[in-house]
Amino acid sequence: KAGVTQTPRYLIKTRGQQVTLSCSPISGHRSVSWYQQTPGQGLQFLFEYFSETQRNKGNFPGRFSGRQFSNSRSEMNVSTLELGDSALYLCASSSGSGGINEQFFGPGTRLTVL
Amino acid sequence: GEDVEQSLFLSVREGDSSVINCTYTDSSSTYLYWYKQEPGAGLQLLTYIFSNMDMKQDQRLTVLLNKKDKHLSLRIADTQTGDSAIYFCAEREGGSYIPTFGRGTSLIVHP
Repeated sequence: KAGVTQTPRYLIKTRGQQVTLSCSPISGHRSVSWYQQTPGQGLQFLFEYFSETQRNKGNFPGRFSGRQFSNSRSEMNVSTLELGDSALYLCASSSGSGGINEQFFGPGTRLTVL
Repeated sequence: GEDVEQSLFLSVREGDSSVINCTYTDSSSTYLYWYKQEPGAGLQLLTYIFSNMDMKQDQRLTVLLNKKDKHLSLRIADTQTGDSAIYFCAEREGGSYIPTFGRGTSLIVHP
């Protein structure tokens, strides 16, 4: 079974630009969660999509948005980039149902904002 | 809100046992997880434990849960250099789909 894939792996942008990151979950998984990982703040939850609907949301400004398509693939968008948005963005997929609900993580997209 | 605390660093000698500790505040946590992150990679689930269990052993890994003190530990026996990574503790209550992660413990294994 193929794992979670994220594209691109690395991205360099300048302040004020916008960026779109993509995540393809494991086949059959309906939930996709996004996290921001920085050395200072650790792993912070952005949002979760389940069956094309945002089911959970973290405490991030509206510049951070996402969506999920009917094939469960998800995209995350950050508008008006700030230097502080430089981070590793991780996507995780899961069944989204009860039980262990193990999250499988992708390798991440390393975003650098100059 | 919920909080998960871990020490940031642990250094051990190859062959020794490593014990990584975690405390959490949410008394309704149902699932507790340990994830491992190697350089340049995402997180990988190592093991998990239900809140109604005290201990779980899986090969070199032993998880101990003290629910009264809300304390979770991960013991790695015979630690190898390949175990060098960041280890994340996470908890999730049964009604939630999203785990809360600690900030991770960097395990450094030296010869």
